[in-house]
Amino acid sequence: GEDVEQSLFLSVREGDSSVINCTYTDSSSTYLYWYKQEPGAGLQLLTYIFSNMDMKQDQRLTVLLNKKDKHLSLRIADTQTGDSAIYFCAESPTASKLTFGTGTRLQVTL
Amino acid sequence: DTAVSQTPKYLVTQMGNDKSIKCEQNLGHDTMYWYKQDSKKFLKIMFSYNNKELIINETVPNRFSPKSPDKAHLNLHINSLELGDSAVYFCASSFQGQHYGYTFGSGTRLTVV
Repeated sequence: GEDVEQSLFLSVREGDSSVINCTYTDSSSTYLYWYKQEPGAGLQLLTYIFSNMDMKQDQRLTVLLNKKDKHLSLRIADTQTGDSAIYFCAESPTASKLTFGTGTRLQVTL
Repeated sequence: DTAVSQTPKYLVTQMGNDKSIKCEQNLGHDTMYWYKQDSKKFLKIMFSYNNKELIINETVPNRFSPKSPDKAHLNLHINSLELGDSAVYFCASSFQGQHYGYTFGSGTRLTVV
């Protein structure tokens, strides 16, 4: 079955690193994604990782994948107030359907 | 601008009414989706169309009927609206088989009173 879990809330200080975690259950997931949703807006794709990779870095974003534990994380370095949003992980065994996590609300404080 | 656009952005209506939400994409994608986001921000897929053909139909009440007149449009018609239908409905599009994620519209906030 498909079940993607995330912690609901994370608060960090501006300039610190944020780590948002996600666990999934579908071992056939081939592609895993991180999306960002700002208030009143749709979802914006931040980054994705293939299941044969352990890590992917893209500027301030680092994605780590532990396929054995079915654990995905998103690290945001030097977190800014503009990073405040809800972050969703998503899995996709076939790329024809995304199953989203429950979302993590990131609050950045001064 | 290239985008996925949904109309209307906000929709307030009474229980029992019938309403439609429209979605259009000019990205040349061949697959379009409807997702529902509830008050707890949980996102769940409702339907998916590829080249006007229905390919995903999750457990959604029959009151919801998608229609895709062409691959650039996917509309959602809802009959006999209920309070529990209040949510934000997101349209998205992609190329089938691509692994680079979806492009989402900005959502339609439906409030049933």
